Amino acid sequence: GQNIDQPTEMTATEGAIVQINCTYQTSGFNGLFWYQQHAGEAPTFLSYNVLDGLEEKGRFSSFLSRSKGYSYLLLKELQMKDSASYLCAVQDSNYQLIWGAGTKLIIKP
Amino acid sequence: DAMVIQNPRYQVTQFGKPVTLSCSQTLNHNVMYWYQQKSSQAPKLLFHYYDKDFNNEADTPDNFQSRRPNTSFCFLDIRSPGLGDAAMYLCATSRDRSGSDEQYFGPGTRLTVT
Repeated sequence: GQNIDQPTEMTATEGAIVQINCTYQTSGFNGLFWYQQHAGEAPTFLSYNVLDGLEEKGRFSSFLSRSKGYSYLLLKELQMKDSASYLCAVQDSNYQLIWGAGTKLIIKP
Repeated sequence: DAMVIQNPRYQVTQFGKPVTLSCSQTLNHNVMYWYQQKSSQAPKLLFHYYDKDFNNEADTPDNFQSRRPNTSFCFLDIRSPGLGDAAMYLCATSRDRSGSDEQYFGPGTRLTVT
């Protein structure tokens, strides 16, 4: 079967750095997405990785290792507005998105 | 601004009373998706349209139907809502189905079934 695993919840301090991990087992691989979802709102796109390595975009970076079926989202200089759920999603061989349940990130002052 | 619009944002319906949720997009994207998302769970794909080609997920109940009369609009019909259908319904679009085509989401419709 197809499976995406992420921690359910993480807590971090304002100004700090946090890494949210995602491991996956899917039928084929055509890229991995990270989305941010604030409570009661729709997901918004953060990043896309299809090749191994690190993609940096401002305070957010995303890493992919296809051989390990592993990705992480790195958030630097955390702000209170970063409190949200972070969803990992993998596009399988049929270009269907397989979604993780999300990691709820709580930022404390 | 190009966007995905969903109406209504909040919908209350009675058990068994049909309800229709609507989605429109100004992005001119080929693909439109309907997801169901319950609290603290992953979005669950119900179906998607690639242009006019309808794709139903194998585990989507028959109670859920969809229509896409033109490129811009897509509707989700719930023929006989049950209490278990209370959820956030998300409409999304993408330019195509290739790997790098991210999905753009509307704000969602929160459905309550009484």
